[in-house]
Amino acid sequence: QVQLQESGPGLVKPSETLSLTCTVSGGSISSYYWSWIRQPPGKGLEWIGYIYYSGSTNYNPSLKSRVTISVDTSKNQFSLKLSSVTAADTAVYYCARLWCSSTSCYDISDYYMDVWGKGTTVTVSS
Amino acid sequence: SYVLTQPPSVSVAPGKTARITCGGNNIGSKSVHWYQQKPGQAPVLVIYYDSDRPSGIPERFSGSNSGNTATLTISRVEAGDEADYYCQVWDSSSDHLVVFGGGTKLTVL
Repeated sequence: QVQLQESGPGLVKPSETLSLTCTVSGGSISSYYWSWIRQPPGKGLEWIGYIYYSGSTNYNPSLKSRVTISVDTSKNQFSLKLSSVTAADTAVYYCARLWCSSTSCYDISDYYMDVWGKGTTVTVSS
Repeated sequence: SYVLTQPPSVSVAPGKTARITCGGNNIGSKSVHWYQQKPGQAPVLVIYYDSDRPSGIPERFSGSNSGNTATLTISRVEAGDEADYYCQVWDSSSDHLVVFGGGTKLTVL
């Protein structure tokens, strides 16, 4: 069974770059889509972006100028970088797999998040 | 951009039926997915493609979607169902973007 584990610094200084990695175990990262989601304290879920194992990406327009998601198939990992962080970026960050169980999976809109990591808390503070 | 509207809270007595709505413009034309999040835990998929249940999710959880409203229904509610519930769709009008509803806190009285 596929499991996801987020890792990275729990504390980042304002204006610096937040870097997180999601390690996939129990299965291959290839042939799937992968996503990052975050949740500020006491608030709802916010989608950050997704990446296909081949490297194609799509980002939340509200974060697009600051976000980079990349994949390393040799390590079965994908990563998130968020630049110029502020206190508003303080959140629990989750990685998730996008899965499609439809008879036709031709479009990303056929996919849903079936496996999630446990999340990692990132605080932005000096 | 596409907006999903959920009630902030729903309360229900044990053994009764809880209905959590998710409103959106012509949401019936989209596939809706629902996630359950208990305090301090990651979200868990409970309904996908409007009404399908992943393995391991009790039959008490069901979903429907029509017109401008999708609904997550939890029958014979148990104390363990107390959680936040989020609906999710894709906004494909301009680009393929994930949209979450604001979440609904289910309280079991």
